[in-house]
Amino acid sequence: AQTVTQSQPEMSVQEAETVTLSCTYDTSESDYYLFWYKQPPSRQMILVIRQEAYKQQNATENRFSVNFQKAAKSFSLKISDSQLGDAAMYFCAYRSAFGGGATNKLIFGTGTLLAVQP
Amino acid sequence: NAGVTQTPKFQVLKTGQSMTLQCAQDMNHEYMSWYRQDPGMGLRLIHYSVGAGITDQGEVPNGYNVSRSTTEDFPLRLLSAAPSQTSVYFCASSYSAVAGGRTNEQYFGPGTRLTVT
Repeated sequence: AQTVTQSQPEMSVQEAETVTLSCTYDTSESDYYLFWYKQPPSRQMILVIRQEAYKQQNATENRFSVNFQKAAKSFSLKISDSQLGDAAMYFCAYRSAFGGGATNKLIFGTGTLLAVQP
Repeated sequence: NAGVTQTPKFQVLKTGQSMTLQCAQDMNHEYMSWYRQDPGMGLRLIHYSVGAGITDQGEVPNGYNVSRSTTEDFPLRLLSAAPSQTSVYFCASSYSAVAGGRTNEQYFGPGTRLTVT
């Protein structure tokens, strides 16, 4: 079974600085997707960035980028130029690329609570 | 498009009471699912559906029932609420039960915070 581990329950960053959130995962599958979701105090789950395992190039979305190390099964999120609005719980998630039923589910880590200091 | 909607937003139940959490989507999505979120445990899959009339269990199904009579709706029923079911519940949907890629992203509802006393 696949697992996702986030070892940093809480992180803090100064406004305008850069912070990296860690995520490791375990799987025996060769093809899969990895995601970072943001959950602000409103509770809404917001997709921040996605990575397809077959792509070697790291995904980027504006100030958000990932460092995907497939062999090490590591998927960290870097937030550059941190803003007050980035304060939230961040979840790393895994989904199999093989379709059908339960394999379509997302497997989540336990989350990292990010505080942004002004 | 309203996306994925959930009602109610908040609910307090007494132990033993029953209730239904509603979930609806207007995107004609094939796949729908329910997750629960507990502190320190992330989100865990309760039940899912790959189409109208087809449901199956996820990781933590005990104490919950689901049905899928239409493509749009996927209600979650608590038959006899227990304090262990105090949680935040999320409904999610995606276009297909089998497709991969960007077109099959999962969309989440706003969540229901349930407290069982």
